[in-house]
Amino acid sequence: ETGVTQTPRHLVMGMTNKKSLKCEQHLGHNAMYWYKQSAKKPLELMFVYSLEERVENNSVPSRFSPECPNSSHLFLHLHTLQPEDSALYLCASSQDWADEQFFGPGTRLTVL
Amino acid sequence: EDQVTQSPEALRLQEGESSSLNCSYTVSGLRGLFWYRQDPGKGPEFLFTLYSAGEEKEKERLKATLTKKESFLHITAPKPEDSATYLCAVQAIGKGAQKLVFGQGTRLTINP
Repeated sequence: ETGVTQTPRHLVMGMTNKKSLKCEQHLGHNAMYWYKQSAKKPLELMFVYSLEERVENNSVPSRFSPECPNSSHLFLHLHTLQPEDSALYLCASSQDWADEQFFGPGTRLTVL
Repeated sequence: EDQVTQSPEALRLQEGESSSLNCSYTVSGLRGLFWYRQDPGKGPEFLFTLYSAGEEKEKERLKATLTKKESFLHITAPKPEDSATYLCAVQAIGKGAQKLVFGQGTRLTINP
């Protein structure tokens, strides 16, 4: 595997379900990010981790819970989501938080 | 508040017809401006970083330029494979520097 990978690529869940999105980067980077991309809206930063420490939480509802167990892996735990949370969730990484970011392919999430 | 506005929202060109995409920005202090390309169903692909007014960068048929208020992505003699959404993002100096603020993108279609 190379670059940034995300699993699953597609996810359909009910509002009462609990699921997790996984991101893995194979670039040796120190910073990782979660973004949300909704139709007709710009990419929105959700969370930033630098050296496994959360450095940004962009006013994201608590039904989204990030976890960064090491510098290569990032998770986004989801519970009791709303239909308006349906979107493409993108993971990215960078060498340092100030450097250009490299994105994964995203997880297309649909909340019923 | 940092803002990025991209224009036009959508652009259709004939193969070989050169044009430019615009990214206007307001930021307290610019650390860097980034251009990405995004194909449908995929994550953004990094193209360029520009740091100071007057800077230019080129890659194949693409050239990015930067002034104190805007950036242009010039596309010379485009081919159908250049069809994609082009995203612009800014990164501010100081507090919040780990955050990229994205524009809504320009959807470019190159007809053969």
